[in-house]
Amino acid sequence: DTAVSQTPKYLVTQMGNDKSIKCEQNLGHDTMYWYKQDSKKFLKIMFSYNNKELIINETVPNRFSPKSPDKAHLNLHINSLELGDSAVYFCASSQDMGNDSPLHFGNGTRLTVT
Amino acid sequence: QQQVKQSPQSLIVQKGGISIINCAYENTAFDYFPWYQQFPGKGPALLIAIRPDVSEKKEGRFTISFNKSAKQFSLHIMDSQPGDSATYFCAASKLGGAQKLVFGQGTRLTINP
Repeated sequence: DTAVSQTPKYLVTQMGNDKSIKCEQNLGHDTMYWYKQDSKKFLKIMFSYNNKELIINETVPNRFSPKSPDKAHLNLHINSLELGDSAVYFCASSQDMGNDSPLHFGNGTRLTVT
Repeated sequence: QQQVKQSPQSLIVQKGGISIINCAYENTAFDYFPWYQQFPGKGPALLIAIRPDVSEKKEGRFTISFNKSAKQFSLHIMDSQPGDSATYFCAASKLGGAQKLVFGQGTRLTINP
């Protein structure tokens, strides 16, 4: 009955590789997000989608490409991984785009680039 | 440019004490101020939130105090318990357009038994 689930939980890979993180929500929400949490625990939005449409792209390098096949899924593909991409990536969803619509976060994917 | 500044970075409180975490913001267009709680290995979860039309909001042991003129808001945890040990994030967002929460740097709270 997990609300927002993301896989894998851990991802260890070498520089230059391409990897994907998958996210699914079963809450029936319209809006989904990717957030990045760095080693100092700072949380920053990367992307948001509403009903499969890209709404926010927060100056993220174009090596990062989100894809939303339907409104319950938002995957993140990363090309040519760099050391600085190491972080915890959180998927989240909200009922709608309203700025007071609570975010429901997944448990994160810890990406380590060596 | 840090739009939401949070302090302290870490806080240790004895069981039964009051935990206080402070945040300050710069953008006067912000009009929604939530607090999120994060346990190790988990994603953040909404704890309590406030809009600037009220100066205080209380839910159980958790209270947000809001000072619009000073552009500051704080989280008070009364009768702090070891189970409250977590990282707390304040955040802010603007009305209109897509939701884009701006988070503070986080406060690691430890409640000693």
